[in-house]
Amino acid sequence: SQTIHQWPATLVQPVGSPLSLECTVEGTSNPNLYWYRQAAGRGLQLLFYSVGIGQISSEVPQNLSASRPQDRQFILSSKKLLLSDSGFYLCAWRGPGQLNEKLFFGSGTQLSVL
Amino acid sequence: AQKITQTQPGMFVQEKEAVTLDCTYDTSDPSYGLFWYKQPSSGEMIFLIYQGSYDQQNATEGRYSLNFQKARKSANLVISASQLGDSAMYFCAMTPTTDSWGKLQFGAGTQVVVTP
Repeated sequence: SQTIHQWPATLVQPVGSPLSLECTVEGTSNPNLYWYRQAAGRGLQLLFYSVGIGQISSEVPQNLSASRPQDRQFILSSKKLLLSDSGFYLCAWRGPGQLNEKLFFGSGTQLSVL
Repeated sequence: AQKITQTQPGMFVQEKEAVTLDCTYDTSDPSYGLFWYKQPSSGEMIFLIYQGSYDQQNATEGRYSLNFQKARKSANLVISASQLGDSAMYFCAMTPTTDSWGKLQFGAGTQVVVTP
């Protein structure tokens, strides 16, 4: 069966420090991968999506970047964190070609930038 | 571009009662999918139910049913026989099937609190 792993679960970082959040999917090949951010008490905002290795599309211009070095690995990064980067980050996947199917989400990373 | 609107920021419902969560959407795409997710305090996103825009019947999944009114562009979630474990944030979402990336756009959510 397919599983998605996201880590770390919580992270406290000072302003100006770098960031690396990792997400991996098991049990499937060539998944569509997504990074979402959720501000406190708000809905989910799509940040990045990828349909293949090295193929990244950004939804919102920001201080963050994403990379997909391997088929089932999706990384969210920042060179210098801002206070506004605080939030709950969720990685999600969907099967290839299943564009109208449900997303499966990871357990999320709570990022606090101080 | 599509837009999802959830007008109820929070609701209280008594245990064993039914509750309806409102969701309206705006899209020019002829084909799309509508989803409901549940987010408990732990933060995980749990898929509840799906409705395709060309589905003839309203979707049902156990105690969850989707009241889909295409002409009114509404996709309300009905939870029957509420349980204490239903207390959570509920999100409506959609993706147009013409979107080659399968992006899912979410509403702002409705916080549901089930009371004994």
